[in-house]
Amino acid sequence: DQQVKQNSPSLSVQEGRISILNCDYTNSMFDYFLWYKKYPAEGPTFLISISSIKDKNEDGRFTVFLNKSAKHLSLHIVPSQPGDSAVYFCAARRQYSGAGSYQLTFGKGTKLSVIP
Amino acid sequence: ETGVTQTPRHLVMGMTNKKSLKCEQHLGHNAMYWYKQSAKKPLELMFVYSLEERVENNSVPSRFSPECPNSSHLFLHLHTLQPEDSALYLCASSQALDRPMETQYFGPGTRLLVL
Repeated sequence: DQQVKQNSPSLSVQEGRISILNCDYTNSMFDYFLWYKKYPAEGPTFLISISSIKDKNEDGRFTVFLNKSAKHLSLHIVPSQPGDSAVYFCAARRQYSGAGSYQLTFGKGTKLSVIP
Repeated sequence: ETGVTQTPRHLVMGMTNKKSLKCEQHLGHNAMYWYKQSAKKPLELMFVYSLEERVENNSVPSRFSPECPNSSHLFLHLHTLQPEDSALYLCASSQALDRPMETQYFGPGTRLLVL
């Protein structure tokens, strides 16, 4: 059973508008969440992260929101640019649980296309 | 050279071949990882090394054999693979193994095709 789910395989957004990518998790032990971006023929690149002690983290055009009660996080990209077109992976881990706490659990990814 | 590098980028091999994938990190990190990404599946952790010691082997078949000679280099030795082993193999590294808010940094991957 998948513990991290990205239910939208793809998303298309007009340039300049907001892109919202969603991620749900089932394991309540997860307390640190990351977003990675992946271009074709490249490895995933770390984008932004959030700890469960926060509900928002912002870095330039990228903002991640965490709703712990709903076990849901989202990545907002404003404004969206054609160069943002990539596959976005959500990942989660347990920070303080000892053995195995390094393990990242990934979603399947959402392919974002930003249309000029 | 910076970041995490992997060679080769593409590999085609027969089921009886023996080949090796190489990963090198230039970040001064102490932990290194091998992941497998198959089509339409999430990334799957295969092996984890911390300070050159293996700390994780996620029920990976013995036809995959990792080696970590030092904290900067990681190898994945392949022998008698099956066609279903065709996938993207990604290497990653992190400063330490399980510090809070630790982030893993990935290489570009090796696209493997087993015929």
